[in-house]
Amino acid sequence: GAGVSQSPRYKVAKRGQDVALRCDPISGHVSLFWYQQALGQGPEFLTYFQNEAQLDKSGLPSDRFFAERPEGSVSTLKIQRTQQEDSAVYLCASSLASGTGGNTEAFFGQGTRLTVV
Amino acid sequence: GENVEQHPSTLSVQEGDSAVIKCTYSDSASNYFPWYKQELGKRPQLIIDIRSNVGEKKDQRIAVTLNKTAKHFSLHITETQPEDSAVYFCAAIPLGRRALTFGSGTRLQVQP
Repeated sequence: GAGVSQSPRYKVAKRGQDVALRCDPISGHVSLFWYQQALGQGPEFLTYFQNEAQLDKSGLPSDRFFAERPEGSVSTLKIQRTQQEDSAVYLCASSLASGTGGNTEAFFGQGTRLTVV
Repeated sequence: GENVEQHPSTLSVQEGDSAVIKCTYSDSASNYFPWYKQELGKRPQLIIDIRSNVGEKKDQRIAVTLNKTAKHFSLHITETQPEDSAVYFCAAIPLGRRALTFGSGTRLQVQP
């Protein structure tokens, strides 16, 4: 398909388990974002990639969260030693924009709902 | 950093009435203001956006207004329909940044 694809759609993890969430952005999109959306809240920024470079990781809540985009396309968000407060929907978005200025539309994936039990 | 506040948190209107959702932002450098619609269990989708060099933008039943001096912007939906029922998020991006800062969302319920 032409949209942003995320997998898995749902993930149940036992507390302390490591998880990996995948994002396939729209082909050719330079920018890729990860957001965390708690129940009933707006998405909150986690990290941003421009191609393979992680330019902003200021939103990552702890060093248990790690993201990569090694070839400038697919990205993986990894959470180590999951805790109950990590339960949320993790959204990935991509946009065509690069450089500074000229913001363009961000297209979102359907998200991965992570439940830590 | 940027802070976006959104009101109301819930809004119930009768079909055919208008709905207005308001947001304020803190960073005067913000220059791009999109609105997203998110239906239950689905992805956020852009419905309209406005840039800081424009005061108003309209697309059929949806319009957005921006007051840069007061640092607030609003979404207006006219002739509401049941399929407009969803959660709406405003957002802002400061110049030079890439990431969206979202408001907390407004759950709109259109009663048939």
